[in-house]
Amino acid sequence: TQLLEQSPQFLSIQEGENLTVYCNSSSVFSSLQWYRQEPGEGPVLLVTVVTGGEVKKLKRLTFQFGDARKDSSLHITAAQPGDTGLYLCAGDRDGGTSYGKLTFGQGTILTVHP
Amino acid sequence: DTEVTQTPKHLVMGMTNKKSLKCEQHMGHRAMYWYKQKAKKPPELMFVYSYEKLSINESVPSRFSPECPNSSLLNLHLHALQPEDSALYLCASSSGQGRGPLHFGNGTRLTVT
Repeated sequence: TQLLEQSPQFLSIQEGENLTVYCNSSSVFSSLQWYRQEPGEGPVLLVTVVTGGEVKKLKRLTFQFGDARKDSSLHITAAQPGDTGLYLCAGDRDGGTSYGKLTFGQGTILTVHP
Repeated sequence: DTEVTQTPKHLVMGMTNKKSLKCEQHMGHRAMYWYKQKAKKPPELMFVYSYEKLSINESVPSRFSPECPNSSLLNLHLHALQPEDSALYLCASSSGQGRGPLHFGNGTRLTVT
């Protein structure tokens, strides 16, 4: 059972377009992180959201955490070829057997064409 | 530049070889992780060390043997691997006791022939 459903899995767009990636779950997360991974490199943390309803902006990227802390979205405005990469959401659940384990979504492979 | 350094960057090994992957961080993080990642897939957790003690082993086959010599170093010893073990092996660290966010290295691209 995939605890974090990430969509879409693939996104191919033209430079200048806007896009949104979603992560949804039936589980509550104490925090949720977004990472971007470029070929040949490890994932790099973009943002951590911890409060229900929180919105964070990083230049052209806007991250939102759902009110119930079960879902999150990443919106990119005016995408550029440099945004190309694998985007991963990862949720941190409190306590129990989930301690120490991040739950990753399946990832979104974004390709932005010039 | 990543603050988690992994060596080697690439490794090709036969199924009878013994090799080791190395990871180093100097951020004072007390939790360190090994992940395995197949192409275009999310990382899969293998091991977690918290305060130099193994706290999580995700039912990883014994041909993978982790070691944490001190709080800055993490090794992964490999022996008698299979071709399906070919993948990107990522090391990560975090300041929390086994909680994210994670700081990843750039990985070791392992090919088993």
